[in-house]
Amino acid sequence: AQRVTQPEKLLSVFKGAPVELKCNYSYSGSPELFWYVQYSRQRLQLLLRHISRESIKGFTADLNKGETSFHLKKPFAQEEDSAMYYCALSGQRTASKLTFGTGTRLQVTL
Amino acid sequence: DAGVTQSPTHLIKTRGQQVTLRCSPKSGHDTVSWYQQALGQGPQFIFQYYEEEERQRGNFPDRFSGHQFPNYSSELNVNALLLGDSALYLCASSWEGQGYNEQFFGPGTRLTVL
Repeated sequence: AQRVTQPEKLLSVFKGAPVELKCNYSYSGSPELFWYVQYSRQRLQLLLRHISRESIKGFTADLNKGETSFHLKKPFAQEEDSAMYYCALSGQRTASKLTFGTGTRLQVTL
Repeated sequence: DAGVTQSPTHLIKTRGQQVTLRCSPKSGHDTVSWYQQALGQGPQFIFQYYEEEERQRGNFPDRFSGHQFPNYSSELNVNALLLGDSALYLCASSWEGQGYNEQFFGPGTRLTVL
């Protein structure tokens, strides 16, 4: 069975502090891993995917197959980063179903 | 392009009733997936439609059914509503020929079952 675990419901950091949102997964095979973000009153949107190895809005995530983790990191938090973040995985087929974690709310305070 | 659109925005039903939710995919997309998001939870996959057929299905009872039309739009039907069906229902669309998995989500329909 495939599963995504996000252990923190809420992560509160000060502006300028580093951010790490944790994500662990279980999947038999080679999954694709994603981070989705939902800003207040907006729809769920893709932040980044592991295969593209991009940095989006200063966020990066490295897939660690040994630890089955895909933690999201940003060196300096900004107020506009406050949002709900969901880690998700899928098979490698195009449009394969997404399995989401329960989400972590990131709150960046001054 | 308005992206993925869903209707209605909100819906209130009573137990035992039936409901139909609608989704129009992003322009150029041919695959539609439906997800249920209960309060405080991440979205859960219900099923996916491609070429007007159900291609994948999650762990949801047969009360949940769907349809895809030739213009790629889709409907989600839920029969014999239970209180536990109260949730945000999300539609996501993608293009089969894209070569990688990228799904675009709609704003959702919030269903309340009383």
